[in-house]
Amino acid sequence: SQQGEEDPQALSIQEGENATMNCSYKTSINNLQWYRQNSGRGLVHLILIRSNEREKHSGRLRVTLDTSKKSSSLLITASRAADTASYFCATGLTGANSKLTFGKGITLSVRP
Amino acid sequence: DGGITQSPKYLFRKEGQNVTLSCEQNLNHDAMYWYRQDPGQGLRLIYYSQIVNDFQKGDIAEGYSVSREKKESFPLTVTSAQKNPTAFYLCASSIITGLHQPQHFGDGTRLSIL
Repeated sequence: SQQGEEDPQALSIQEGENATMNCSYKTSINNLQWYRQNSGRGLVHLILIRSNEREKHSGRLRVTLDTSKKSSSLLITASRAADTASYFCATGLTGANSKLTFGKGITLSVRP
Repeated sequence: DGGITQSPKYLFRKEGQNVTLSCEQNLNHDAMYWYRQDPGQGLRLIYYSQIVNDFQKGDIAEGYSVSREKKESFPLTVTSAQKNPTAFYLCASSIITGLHQPQHFGDGTRLSIL
């Protein structure tokens, strides 16, 4: 089974609203990363949070990590139509060299 | 501009045919990866390589083969043994200094059966 499980599977919001996406994982990690994928394109790295960090910001993105609950959340503030995409969390497992394990993704639709 | 180039963008395979997907990077990254993406399945790792002339199987390597003769190139061959090859294939690369660095992706090759 996948290491990372995103929730919800799909999210539809109005432009200007905030979007919150969650990711849960099962085993010990070195870091957790979030990626975005526009339709028919490759993934783009958004943000990386290490296991000893609790929160990280990048522009309109805010990521939190709770290692005790084995979960992370990605918050996109003041969403725009251009944020419409699929979002994936990926975990780097302890001792697993350079591999990442990706979840199934969340489809975000931002209505203009 | 540095990046990853995948070609072709679309590829069609006949029954019993092997096809090769190209992946080239000019980022000077040591590690390269191949993923398969099916609708609703997320990304699944096929093969990865952390150094030239060495590669390891991922979670779904059966029916696929790779080579890593040059740092810049990591071609994937989908063999006739892969009975369900229709999918979106993504190539990625990363540095390996430290653990689990961000991966940079190409724009994919969509493979279909004729």
